[in-house]
This record gives sequence, structure tokens and C-alpha cells, in this order.
Amino acid sequence: EADIYQTPRYLVIGTGKKITLECSQTMGHDKMYWYQQDPGMELHLIHYSYGVNSTEKGDLSSESTVSRIRTEHFPLTLESARPSHTSQYLCASSELRAGLNIQYFGAGTRLSVL
Amino acid sequence: GQQVMQIPQYQHVQEGEDFTTYCNSSTTLSNIQWYKQRPGGHPVFLIQLVKSGEVKKQKRLTFQFGEAKKNSSLHITATQTTDVGTYFCAGSGGSNYKLTFGKGTLLTVNP
Repeated sequence: EADIYQTPRYLVIGTGKKITLECSQTMGHDKMYWYQQDPGMELHLIHYSYGVNSTEKGDLSSESTVSRIRTEHFPLTLESARPSHTSQYLCASSELRAGLNIQYFGAGTRLSVL
Repeated sequence: GQQVMQIPQYQHVQEGEDFTTYCNSSTTLSNIQWYKQRPGGHPVFLIQLVKSGEVKKQKRLTFQFGEAKKNSSLHITATQTTDVGTYFCAGSGGSNYKLTFGKGTLLTVNP
């Protein structure tokens, strides 16, 4: 079982609030990712990082920002939450090993913006 | 950009019936991965295919990678209720580590 943790698991917040979703992994993986997934739908990559101080935007445009100051930590921040941000946010990490780049996912944060 | 299409979107079967989901990429892939997400859960890695025409088996699951490395399939023989969930294919192109996920196929099994 992978050691990747997301907090909080559930968050209900009002419009305009600033929020930070936490993601930590203890596997020492260099690559980390944030996905957005609506219920029963596909995963959309919104941010990724290949190492400390490296962050890139993903395929789906997002108003969120990320930082990677430490290998194990990859927080996602929304400066001003809106109802359109309501979704599930999944964090993942990976490391290329023996030709495999398996992504290990956290349990996710379900965000509701009222 | 790279697109990965997956069909069907939903599949309901009786327990014991077979199930297949298909994945097609708009571009040639370096490898393809399959993940399973149980209802309310998170995606869990199943397998990675790398070689053209590759076939891999995991008990009742059979995974194939097309000769052109643009399509893949997952076949489950004699489904069980524990197979319920959404199956995603995810393609990787070139030397980057990003995955493009298909929309997934939701499998429900009637006991």
C-alpha cells in the first residue's frame, strides 16, 4: 500500500475563501501530480512536478497554484474559491523504477464551495 | 494534444459474464497503464504494457496492447461482484511521465 496522504478528506467552504489542500508522500518519489475528478468522470491533470522547485501546469486549465519546496510535500492552493471549483482533487506520486512509472494516489479531497 | 478515448462508458453484466473495455489513442504511445477505481475510492494501478502486441494476464484479467501502440483492451473473464468499479486506461507518450487518462468504463455486476 502506498504512503500518500491527503488532507482534509472533505471540505465545505464559502465562496471567496482561500484554501490549501495538503498532499504528502513518504516514499521519496520525485514526481507528484494533482488531478481533478468530478464524480464518475475522468481524471484531469491540473498540475505536476518532477522534483523540488519544479512545477508545471497540466492539461486542464486551473485557477489553483502549487508549490514543491520539499520532496514529500505538494500542496495545492485556491486563492479565492468559487462554486465551479467544487470537485474531487486527487494527488498522486510516482518514481521510475525498473521501467515502471506507477502512479500512487491519495484518498482525495472532496471540495464543496457554496 | 494527446487524446485517449475509452469505450464503453458503462457496462452492466450478470455475474459470470465476460467484460471488455477498449482504449484508443490519437497518437502512438510509449506505454499504456490500466487503473481500477472502486466506488468512492481512488485509482489503483493494475498493469503497464510497453511492447507492441503485448499481452499480459492477471488471473481473470487479460490486457492487450495493439501492434501500432495506439490501442489497448482489458478483458475480464467470468466477472465477479468484486470486479465492480471504473477501469481507466492511461497513456504516456514520449519520454515524459504525464499520463492522459481515458474517461473510464464503469462496470457493475449483478449477483
